[in-house]
Amino acid sequence: AQSVTQLGSHVSVSEGALVLLRCNYSSSVPPYLFWYVQYPNQGLQLLLKYTTGATLVKGINGFEAEFKKSETSFHLTKPSAHMSDAAEYFCAVSGSREGGYNKLIFGAGTRLAVHP
Amino acid sequence: EPEVTQTPSHQVTQMGQEVILRCVPISNHLYFYWYRQILGQKVEFLVSFYNNEISEKSEIFDDQFSVERPDGSNFTLKIRSTKLEDSAMYFCASRLDRVVTGELFFGEGSRLTVL
Repeated sequence: AQSVTQLGSHVSVSEGALVLLRCNYSSSVPPYLFWYVQYPNQGLQLLLKYTTGATLVKGINGFEAEFKKSETSFHLTKPSAHMSDAAEYFCAVSGSREGGYNKLIFGAGTRLAVHP
Repeated sequence: EPEVTQTPSHQVTQMGQEVILRCVPISNHLYFYWYRQILGQKVEFLVSFYNNEISEKSEIFDDQFSVERPDGSNFTLKIRSTKLEDSAMYFCASRLDRVVTGELFFGEGSRLTVL
């Protein structure tokens, strides 16, 4: 079975500070990993994903994440937070390779607050 | 930009009532999903749908739930007799093709409150 744990349901940073949102996964097969963001009153939007190849992946809005197999982690970072980054962030792992149905298994989410 | 749309954005209902949540996936997408998030908990997979049939469902998706794609554009989730514990945000999602790494596009969600 696959699962995702996001450490910290709420993270608060100052504008301009480093953003670090933590995600650890459990998977019996090589995982595909995703970060989604949900802005207020909007749907979930894909930030970035890791499939194969380079372990450091870059996404939209200056975010990036690094796949570390030895640590079973896929933490999301951004060097300098903007007020517009305030949102809820979800880490997810693909649930199945067979059949291509790509069921995503999500973490509980981390709400990021950015203060002046 | 194409998007997944969901209606209603918020529905309040009495326990035991039937509820239908509607979704319009992106027009050329082939795979459709429902997820839900109970307040403060994880986003949970409910069901996936392809080629006019359920392809996978979770243990949450019991006989009280059903899905259909009645007219080639809408994708609906029906809860036959709502329970208090069905109160949650329900997300519809769609995907273009079979590629396992393909992006899921989500709607804004429908918040269901069961009293």
